[in-house]
Amino acid sequence: EVQVVESGGGLVKPGGSLRLACATSGFAFSRYSMNWVRQAPGKGLEWVSSISSSSNFRYYADSVKGRFTISRDNAETSVYLQMNSLRADDTAVYYCAKGYHDFWSGFDYWGQGALVTVSS
Amino acid sequence: QSALTQPASVSGSPGQSITISCTGTSSDVGGYNYVSWYQHHPGKAPKLLIYDVSNRPSGVSHRFSGSKSGNTASLTISGLQAEDETDYYCSSYTSTSTLYVFGTGTRVTVL
Repeated sequence: EVQVVESGGGLVKPGGSLRLACATSGFAFSRYSMNWVRQAPGKGLEWVSSISSSSNFRYYADSVKGRFTISRDNAETSVYLQMNSLRADDTAVYYCAKGYHDFWSGFDYWGQGALVTVSS
Repeated sequence: QSALTQPASVSGSPGQSITISCTGTSSDVGGYNYVSWYQHHPGKAPKLLIYDVSNRPSGVSHRFSGSKSGNTASLTISGLQAEDETDYYCSSYTSTSTLYVFGTGTRVTVL
């Protein structure tokens, strides 16, 4: 059974940092891209970042570029999102999702999400 | 890069078919076959329904189908059931600096 479990969410002050982790199991982790998607309160889904299977390629939404860093550990079958210089509009539920087919063919397994609240 | 445009809400009676549109541009929906559709019950993990415009992952009901014409993609739900009442999102690769974009979301109501 495929499992995707996010952790590390919480309350942080504007300008602060937080590191999200996503632990996975049940599939050949090192063969698939991994992704982060977020949903702000009352809003729709927003793609945040993606990383290729071997970490050769990392992509970011314009809204987080230069502030967030995606990484992965294939030995630990985990992916991470380091979030720096956090702003109020980064407040959202952050989902970790497994890439399905080609790099941009969609995300087939998602976690339940981790809530990040940026507030003073 | 703005989100892809979806109708805010679509409704139908049990057993009917409904179609949700997803309108983009030639830089995303119209230019690439990387359109996906997701079902999202609030508070739960989103579920991939369609990938690469019209392909269903294994285990997804045949009641869900996808298509594309020009800059608009569509998700059709046939034989509407009460359990289909929730939110649906399209997404697409885009050649703009954004790289990947979701739709605005559609709330489906089963009357």
